[in-house]
Amino acid sequence: LAKTTQPISMDSYEGQEVNITCSHNNIATNDYITWYQQFPSQGPRFIIQGYKTKVTNEVASLFIPADRKSSTLSLPRVSLSDTAVYYCLVGLFFPGGSYIPTFGRGTSLIVHP
Amino acid sequence: DVKVTQSSRYLVKRTGEKVFLECVQDMDHENMFWYRQDPGLGLRLIYFSYDVKMKEKGDIPEGYSVSREKKERFSLILESASTNQTSMYLCASSPAPGDNEDLKQFFGPGTRLTVL
Repeated sequence: LAKTTQPISMDSYEGQEVNITCSHNNIATNDYITWYQQFPSQGPRFIIQGYKTKVTNEVASLFIPADRKSSTLSLPRVSLSDTAVYYCLVGLFFPGGSYIPTFGRGTSLIVHP
Repeated sequence: DVKVTQSSRYLVKRTGEKVFLECVQDMDHENMFWYRQDPGLGLRLIYFSYDVKMKEKGDIPEGYSVSREKKERFSLILESASTNQTSMYLCASSPAPGDNEDLKQFFGPGTRLTVL
């Protein structure tokens, strides 16, 4: 059964780069790695997705090593508004995935002034 | 932009009542999901659906049922509400099944349900 492990919480300061690592030792061949961001009193918001190597968009970068047993979400130069919970999601719902992707508890990132 | 709406932001019900939570999406997505979120437990999947009238159990389906009669609408039903179902309920939708698209979920604002 696939499971993801993330740090429960992280602290940073404005302007710093933040890296959040997710471990997924049992990732399957067809699984994608997806990250979400959630602010208080809101639903999660899709940030970035990858399968291998590196993916970058306007919000973040996602680094995936060759063995794909972990992934790192990188947030460049964070601001106070990046304070949120970040979730790593691994797997596929369809078609007939071998397990159901789970959000877990996520990583609570607090950015300080 | 994808819009996922939920019928209520806040709901208070009594133990034993039948509760309907409605979710509507406007992007013609195939997949729809219901989660609950509790402090310290993260998001847990209750049910999901990949087509009209199709449903699949998630991690915690006990005490819940779902209905998907139309593509844009996915309803969560609590047949007999109990106090341990007090929670934040989040609905989501995503594009067609297959590949990585089903993981790109768009969430609604949530319904905070209190069962007294």
